[in-house]
Amino acid sequence: DIVMTQSPDSLAVSLGERATINCKSSPNILHSCNYKNCLSWYQQKPGQPPRLLIYWTSTRESGVPDRFSGSGSGTDFTLTINNVQAEDVAVYYCQQFSTPPVFNFGQGTKLEIK
Amino acid sequence: QLQLQESGPGLVMPSETLSLTCTVSGGSVRSSTYYWAWIRRPPGKGLEWIGDIYYTGIINYNPSLKSRATISVDTSKNHFSLKLSSVTAADTAVYYCASQTHLGFDYWGQGTLLTVSS
Repeated sequence: DIVMTQSPDSLAVSLGERATINCKSSPNILHSCNYKNCLSWYQQKPGQPPRLLIYWTSTRESGVPDRFSGSGSGTDFTLTINNVQAEDVAVYYCQQFSTPPVFNFGQGTKLEIK
Repeated sequence: QLQLQESGPGLVMPSETLSLTCTVSGGSVRSSTYYWAWIRRPPGKGLEWIGDIYYTGIINYNPSLKSRATISVDTSKNHFSLKLSSVTAADTAVYYCASQTHLGFDYWGQGTLLTVSS
């Protein structure tokens, strides 16, 4: 089974600063993916369902602000939020999409404003 | 634009079977684009994929739940369903239905809280 581990579990960032969330897969998902690096990121605000932010590691979903960016390959992936805004307070999840028929989420990272 | 809406009992007794339905509007469950998925979030925990179904009847399950979960689709009613047997308190969660492509889960229902308690 692929296990997705996010770090940190939570972080507090000042408004306008940068937030970086890491996601590590074990084992390497690149070779078992039929498409590009099949790693997605989701944002879940309190009381709302998750929202797809990024797919294929670095492609922003339509309507997602460009301060959100994704990077990485192989086993290590990163979600970066530049110029953090108050509305970015949420739990962020990575999710691998490379080994159907099982899809795994990371445990989540809670972003708060300092 | 797709809209998904979960419906269910809210409260289930331990050892019983929970049943949830997801009604799809703005599109068809017979779409060749989508698999239809169930995902849950237990209180204080992260998201867990339960399984998915394609309208032709192809079904995939999370191995951790496979023996207890049954997913089905009713194309005449444009909905799909989840049954989870022998529930325990550990199955208490917000249950979401979602549309699934190779890009990820792009449309979600609002979620329905299901509590297992006597």
